[in-house]
Amino acid sequence: GQQLNQSPQSMFIQEGEDVSMNCTSSSIFNTWLWYKQDPGEGPVLLIALYKAGELTSNGRLTAQFGITRKDSFLNISASIPSDVGIYFCAGLLTGTASKLTFGTGTRLQVTL
Amino acid sequence: DAGITQSPRYKITETGRQVTLMCHQTWSHSYMFWYRQDLGHGLRLIYYSAAADITDKGEVPDGYVVSRSKTENFPLTLESATRSQTSVYFCASRRGPGSDEQYFGPGTRLTVT
Repeated sequence: GQQLNQSPQSMFIQEGEDVSMNCTSSSIFNTWLWYKQDPGEGPVLLIALYKAGELTSNGRLTAQFGITRKDSFLNISASIPSDVGIYFCAGLLTGTASKLTFGTGTRLQVTL
Repeated sequence: DAGITQSPRYKITETGRQVTLMCHQTWSHSYMFWYRQDLGHGLRLIYYSAAADITDKGEVPDGYVVSRSKTENFPLTLESATRSQTSVYFCASRRGPGSDEQYFGPGTRLTVT
């Protein structure tokens, strides 16, 4: 099945740094979701975006729904050690029976 | 607020055995989903359900059976487990029309020997 392209694939950053990652698709979506997955746990929903151009924040996280509806971006400001994990984007096209298309994931590691 | 729970969290079974993974949600969400997560393949949809007694195939349904007699439960059965079904299985739910947000359970790690 299709997977969305996420970049970077992995990143090492220092505590306190800002992080940016993005997700691109060849198809348009009506909804973008961002998840974080810790080892041995299920994905946890971070942010949901419903409108092209929309910018939404959740604490230190900010996500944007791209104008073309084919991409989305996630920024984490002032990273802390508990930000470590894998971040997934997911896109949904209305009328596809709720079938999410997931990104390949960005693995984030934070060093002190 | 228990949310969405899965049991067991870990299971080891033998090839050919039947095994059922349980999923329970306390939100009364209409939609429920089963995914498997494997390295190199990401999350793949096995089956989903739009309401009690309504189920449909996802991307990788072969070898799996689901049922949904009650809104809150969505069990996944492997009728005759194979080694290729060794994976981490996640259940998810979504409230219904007007909300696209899917919420995942903690997962079941299944090993078929």
